[in-house]
Amino acid sequence: QVQLVQSGTEVKMPGASVRVSCKASGYALINYHMHWVRQAPGQGPEWLGIIKSGGDGTTYAQNFQGRITVTRDTSTSTVYLDLSSLTSEDTAVYYCAREIPSAYWFDPWGQGTLVTVSS
Amino acid sequence: EIVLTQSPGTLSLSPGERATLSCRASQSVSSTYLAWYQQKPGQAPRLVIYGASIRATGIPDRFSGSGSGTDFTLTINRLEPEDFAVYYCQQYDTSPPMYIFGQGTKLEIK
Repeated sequence: QVQLVQSGTEVKMPGASVRVSCKASGYALINYHMHWVRQAPGQGPEWLGIIKSGGDGTTYAQNFQGRITVTRDTSTSTVYLDLSSLTSEDTAVYYCAREIPSAYWFDPWGQGTLVTVSS
Repeated sequence: EIVLTQSPGTLSLSPGERATLSCRASQSVSSTYLAWYQQKPGQAPRLVIYGASIRATGIPDRFSGSGSGTDFTLTINRLEPEDFAVYYCQQYDTSPPMYIFGQGTKLEIK
């Protein structure tokens, strides 16, 4: 079955960078979009960005432009989120989520990765 | 940029009752782009409805979605104990391209 498995909890100092991974199984990664969404404690989800199927590139939310990079390694069926210049406001659970191209909804989601930014 | 406003913030009902959750967009949106998710504590969101009215795979038929333009509704008939959760609506905005979530409605047991 389709499954997204994310890397484990991260604790980072302010100003540092974090990399979160999302390993896909049960389908061909290259044929689907993959998104990153985060959720701060007690808040609703917030979309960060997308790496599109095939070679169609990436799009990032304007609030994160310049400090977010999403990449894909098809040999390991893994998508990566890199987020730099972390502040305490980046403390959240980060999710990867699959989109069928042009569907505009997310299914399934990874289990989530808690990133805590604290000095 | 589209803003999605969900109401009520919290809905207290008993099992067996009907829940009606609202999602209002700040401007008219395509029904194709409207989805609903269920989230339980400590879990990732789960797709419930997409295209405003289409149930996702495995979702019971007591869940239904409706609406168009700026007003969308998620209805849950005959509430079961496992339905109590937070529900989010989500929309795709084309300019700039981004995916937007509402702030959520918490459905709690009365």
